[in-house]
Amino acid sequence: NAGVTQTPKFQVLKTGQSMTLQCAQDMNHNSMYWYRQDPGMGLRLIYYSASEGTTDKGEVPNGYNVSRLNKREFSLRLESAAPSQTSVYFCASSDTFSNEKLFFGSGTQLSVL
Amino acid sequence: QKEVEQNSGPLSVPEGAIASLNCTYSDRVSQSFFWYRQYSGKSPELIMSIYSNGDKEDGRFTAQLNKASQYVSLLIRDSQPSDSATYLCAGYNTNAGKSTFGDGTTLTVKP
Repeated sequence: NAGVTQTPKFQVLKTGQSMTLQCAQDMNHNSMYWYRQDPGMGLRLIYYSASEGTTDKGEVPNGYNVSRLNKREFSLRLESAAPSQTSVYFCASSDTFSNEKLFFGSGTQLSVL
Repeated sequence: QKEVEQNSGPLSVPEGAIASLNCTYSDRVSQSFFWYRQYSGKSPELIMSIYSNGDKEDGRFTAQLNKASQYVSLLIRDSQPSDSATYLCAGYNTNAGKSTFGDGTTLTVKP
């Protein structure tokens, strides 16, 4: 049982480049989330998807877009990367929208030069 | 005021002692509360959830919730070096449909 799988694990970008972070879960969860974590800080919500076909902005959505491709997959896209987006990104899922015990992927360490 | 605030730490306790981690929250976060443990370089994992006032015990861990004081805590009894990690407090708001995390408290248990 893989749980929540994120790719890639590491990525280095130059300012202005674009990339997509992939996330898939095999737990049949309805809700999926993208968080970023900066040193010494907690998790800040970027975007979330309560169910297949819906997406909503979190605390820090600027500079990001998301796609809920199907129930399993939720991708995060950086259209024009900036150094301020250097961070660790975590994808998470939960089993129902009203019972948010989060299961996290292993994270993506992104550096933007 | 931040929605969820934790003691900034770091917190250091000797092996076998009780570690106490604290969290306060604003009115915007009022339904459910969770404690996640995050080892260095790893992803967070859920260790405790609490939904109603009072204490909830699970092994060496006890979560405490006081809604009147808007206060959540996690007690770790008989602390072990393997408990050394960052502990994240999270509050879930059903109306908003999302969790808000505190900045975390780093705990070190010294042998």
